[in-house]
Amino acid sequence: AQSVTQLDSQVPVFEEAPVELRCNYSSSVSVYLFWYVQYPNQGLQLLLKYLSGSTLVKSINGFEAEFNKSQTSFHLRKPSVHISDTAEYFCALDTGRRALTFGSGTRLQVQP
Amino acid sequence: AAGVIQSPRHLIKEKRETATLKCYPIPRHDTVYWYQQGPGQDPQFLISFYEKMQSDKGSIPDRFSAQQFSDYHSELNMSSLELGDSALYFCASSLEGNNEQFFGPGTRLTVL
Repeated sequence: AQSVTQLDSQVPVFEEAPVELRCNYSSSVSVYLFWYVQYPNQGLQLLLKYLSGSTLVKSINGFEAEFNKSQTSFHLRKPSVHISDTAEYFCALDTGRRALTFGSGTRLQVQP
Repeated sequence: AAGVIQSPRHLIKEKRETATLKCYPIPRHDTVYWYQQGPGQDPQFLISFYEKMQSDKGSIPDRFSAQQFSDYHSELNMSSLELGDSALYFCASSLEGNNEQFFGPGTRLTVL
């Protein structure tokens, strides 16, 4: 069975500071990895994904994540956060079954 | 661009009643997934359909059933509702062969 672990349930950070949201996974087979963002009372939006190729993937709003197979990690980073980045962030994996397995989520709280 | 449509957006039911949630995938998407997100929890995969056939099954209770119709929309039928069924129910769709799932806004079910 596969699993996703998000080590931090909440991450408070000041505006314009850098942030890293950690995600580790466990799987006996190859995986595809995703980060989804959920704003209050809204659905899940895909932030970025790793399917194959370059291990560093980037989103259009400044987030990036690096797939590290040896450390089984897919940490999400942003060099400078904005108030509008306040949301719940979910790391998820797909082993090819197409059913996503989600982590427990990390609430990013950006303070002015 | 068209997104995944879910209806209703909010639903209030009494214990032991039944509920039907509907999902309309993005045009040309042939695969539909259902997820359940309890309060403060991560989304849990329930069931998926590809070309109107069940393709995978997760932690879906026996009281729940689902199907995908010829126009690719899907319905999740929930019977003998329990208080613990109160949750946000997400539908997602994708194109077969594409690992990216697009999520709808969710249906918030409250069981009283």
